[in-house]
Amino acid sequence: QQQVKQSPQSLIVQKGGISIINCAYENTAFDYFPWYQQFPGKGPALLIAIRPDVSEKKEGRFTISFNKSAKQFSLHIMDSQPGDSATYFCAASRGGNTPLVFGKGTRLSVIA
Amino acid sequence: EAGVAQSPRYKIIEKRQSVAFWCNPISGHATLYWYQQILGQGPKLLIQFQNNGVVDDSQLPKDRFSAERLKGVDSTLKIQPAKLEDSAVYLCASSLTPSNSNSPLHFGNGTRLTVT
Repeated sequence: QQQVKQSPQSLIVQKGGISIINCAYENTAFDYFPWYQQFPGKGPALLIAIRPDVSEKKEGRFTISFNKSAKQFSLHIMDSQPGDSATYFCAASRGGNTPLVFGKGTRLSVIA
Repeated sequence: EAGVAQSPRYKIIEKRQSVAFWCNPISGHATLYWYQQILGQGPKLLIQFQNNGVVDDSQLPKDRFSAERLKGVDSTLKIQPAKLEDSAVYLCASSLTPSNSNSPLHFGNGTRLTVT
């Protein structure tokens, strides 16, 4: 049972373009939605996160859009750069002692 | 702040052999996790510790996997005997408290296990 469904599996974007990665969840008890960035040979690193009481959060070139009624959230990378080329994972958890569950990941390639 | 330390970085073993991985979390982090990341997939939780107690090990294949966190700091994950399908990256992560918006998860760089 996959609790967080992520798409697309891979994405190629031109330098300067907008990268968009989507995630959908089913468990309405989830209350924390982070995005992680992973470079080859490294562990995932927290990029940005949102709670369901807001619809959007922006940090620099990275924005999370959250649609509670549709149970979907997405990551937007503005002005994508070659250095953004990595694998991105969405995740979710609910309150208390519960761990994060991760999507399957999106491999982003930003080409010049 | 020093990050999560893991060793070894790589390990190659034959099936049916045993292997152990070590993790040192960020100082002061009470919660420690072991995740399995198969190539091309997202991390999958194996076990979660709160201090030295197990919180969630529902997805740990207990017939072959074991983990401990003595003294509530370092942790070891063991596989005995290994199977081909255990080939993956084993990630250790820690957080101050169970991960939420106030206590993000910090990952180590993982141990890449190849079972031949």
